[in-house]
Amino acid sequence: DSGVTQTPKHLITATGQRVTLRCSPRSGDLSVYWYQQSLDQGLQFLIQYYNGEERAKGNILERFSAQQFPDLHSELNLSSLELGDSALYFCASSVGQGGSETQYFGPGTRLLVL
Amino acid sequence: TQLLEQSPQFLSIQEGENLTVYCNSSSVFSSLQWYRQEPGEGPVLLVTVVTGGEVKKLKRLTFQFGDARKDSSLHITAAQPGDTGLYLCAGFRAGGTSYGKLTFGQGTILTVHP
Repeated sequence: DSGVTQTPKHLITATGQRVTLRCSPRSGDLSVYWYQQSLDQGLQFLIQYYNGEERAKGNILERFSAQQFPDLHSELNLSSLELGDSALYFCASSVGQGGSETQYFGPGTRLLVL
Repeated sequence: TQLLEQSPQFLSIQEGENLTVYCNSSSVFSSLQWYRQEPGEGPVLLVTVVTGGEVKKLKRLTFQFGDARKDSSLHITAAQPGDTGLYLCAGFRAGGTSYGKLTFGQGTILTVHP
């Protein structure tokens, strides 16, 4: 158990819909990262927040957005969903702003868009 | 374009055999990490290498960072069924607004048969 929690574990929805994925970081960690894992693209970095502020951005689509709240939990919002958005979405956390420090990954949310 | 190329993609071996997984890039990385991921779980960090030429050992696993910090390898001696999983390399490039942005390889699926 990494100490990072993600909900829900599974999500099935239809194209065009909007969903929200939630992540609670390890106690004391200030950074939250979001990743997307699919068979064809592998594990792709989406976005990082540190203490409520956006820190780094990766291959995140404009239809996707995220935020980190004062209690440090984070939400990833996916809208106008397409079939290709079906993937595993992981949240990770770390103590500081990143670099080569350890990122602790949650168990992931499996999203299926039908 | 995949910045980190992992090979092989799939590896199926018998218990007791040795194996090596490679992670190559044309880019220089400040540090490189190796993760192991089991089905239904998030990646778990195995090791971080930061110095060119660095070698780290973790029981039967040996990790090496290339002298030029562009490549890395993971060698497993006397593989066991418990080593089965997805092995991922991930590189960090410092500077600018990189912060905690990790670039992952496509992964190597290792299956060790009893």
